[in-house]
Amino acid sequence: AQKITQTQPGMFVQEKEAVTLDCTYDTSDPSYGLFWYKQPSSGEMIFLIYQGSYDQQNATEGRYSLNFQKARKSANLVISASQLGDSAMYFCAMRGYNNNDMRFGAGTRLTVKP
Amino acid sequence: EPEVTQTPSHQVTQMGQEVILRCVPISNHLYFYWYRQILGQKVEFLVSFYNNEISEKSEIFDDQFSVERPDGSNFTLKIRSTKLEDSAMYFCASSEAFQGSKIEKLFFGSGTQLSVL
Repeated sequence: AQKITQTQPGMFVQEKEAVTLDCTYDTSDPSYGLFWYKQPSSGEMIFLIYQGSYDQQNATEGRYSLNFQKARKSANLVISASQLGDSAMYFCAMRGYNNNDMRFGAGTRLTVKP
Repeated sequence: EPEVTQTPSHQVTQMGQEVILRCVPISNHLYFYWYRQILGQKVEFLVSFYNNEISEKSEIFDDQFSVERPDGSNFTLKIRSTKLEDSAMYFCASSEAFQGSKIEKLFFGSGTQLSVL
């Protein structure tokens, strides 16, 4: 079984500062992928970043980076230089190689303050 | 970029009525999914579909729900007798087959907001 935990229901960050959104996971699948999606108030699910369980380096995509600590089973999203448009719900998700359904955490609502 | 298309964007129905939510996944994708989200809360897995059959379903996906891929392009979710608690945003998603060890992301449609009165 897969389990994703996001313990921060809401986070605030000042514009231009960095913020870390936490995600821990549990799975019995030896090979898996970790994903972050952004959901703005308009409702669409926007893919941000992917980390494979066997990837040696932490993933980066522009201002997004993933702090992957496999032994701790954590995959935190770091957003650098926050912008007002970053205000949204952020979901951590996991998909296994064998059990390939994607499961989501409860989400973190990020608010960027001017 | 290719898109997953969902119709309608909003659906209002009376309790006890049947509804069919429609999705057109990306054409070369092989894995198809339905998720639901109540009032911007958690994104809940309903069902996955691969090789013309259900590969996994959650406890939410009871006998009132069914999925179908009737013609090789559409992927539908049917709720046979809607309840008030079925009111939610329903997302369709699809993904490619895995290439090597890379786990492919899901592409999501923009959702169908279902309101059961």
